[in-house]
Amino acid sequence: AAGVIQSPRHLIKEKRETATLKCYPIPRHDTVYWYQQGPGQDPQFLISFYEKMQSDKGSIPDRFSAQQFSDYHSELNMSSLELGDSALYFCASSLMAHSGANVLTFGAGSRLTVL
Amino acid sequence: RKEVEQDPGPFNVPEGATVAFNCTYSNSASQSFFWYRQDCRKEPKLLMSVYSSGNEDGRFTAQLNRASQYISLLIRDSKLSDSATYLCVVNQGGSQGNLIFGKGTKLSVKP
Repeated sequence: AAGVIQSPRHLIKEKRETATLKCYPIPRHDTVYWYQQGPGQDPQFLISFYEKMQSDKGSIPDRFSAQQFSDYHSELNMSSLELGDSALYFCASSLMAHSGANVLTFGAGSRLTVL
Repeated sequence: RKEVEQDPGPFNVPEGATVAFNCTYSNSASQSFFWYRQDCRKEPKLLMSVYSSGNEDGRFTAQLNRASQYISLLIRDSKLSDSATYLCVVNQGGSQGNLIFGKGTKLSVKP
């Protein structure tokens, strides 16, 4: 079965550079989520999109932005990178359930290292 | 206070042991609850949803107490392959459905 595809899997950037992460959700899933997991930390919710519109915003820094495109893939853009942005970035997708009992399927993550 | 709190780990247990993890959540409006499992440097994977009536999946039993805002996971006859971090996850409801994760409890099953 198709899973959530993230690219790149690994990325190394210098401080103040820009990075873009991509996410391809499971086909027919209408909601995409981005999470950031620092070393030894739990995943922190950044932002989500439902049917290509931003649906919720978490602890996403102003230096970051994201969007979901017409083909439902999503991109997370990170500018003016700081050392503290080094983390594993997970994308997840789900089929929106009106009951709120969404089950998220996560991608394998993109590991960003800022030097 | 963190929205989802879990037992501090790590739990180091021998094979065959029974181990229980606890979790509390602060938002009484939370609508759905899950246990996810995360292996080192891997993505979280759904282990099981947690229902008010309690539910069981093989060696795993999950319980929810809405009045106490408390969730538990019981693992019986633990296997070496159960070694992982177990994340208590809460969906706070609404149309967005984003999940709030606990910090996770690390389980290490030894031979």
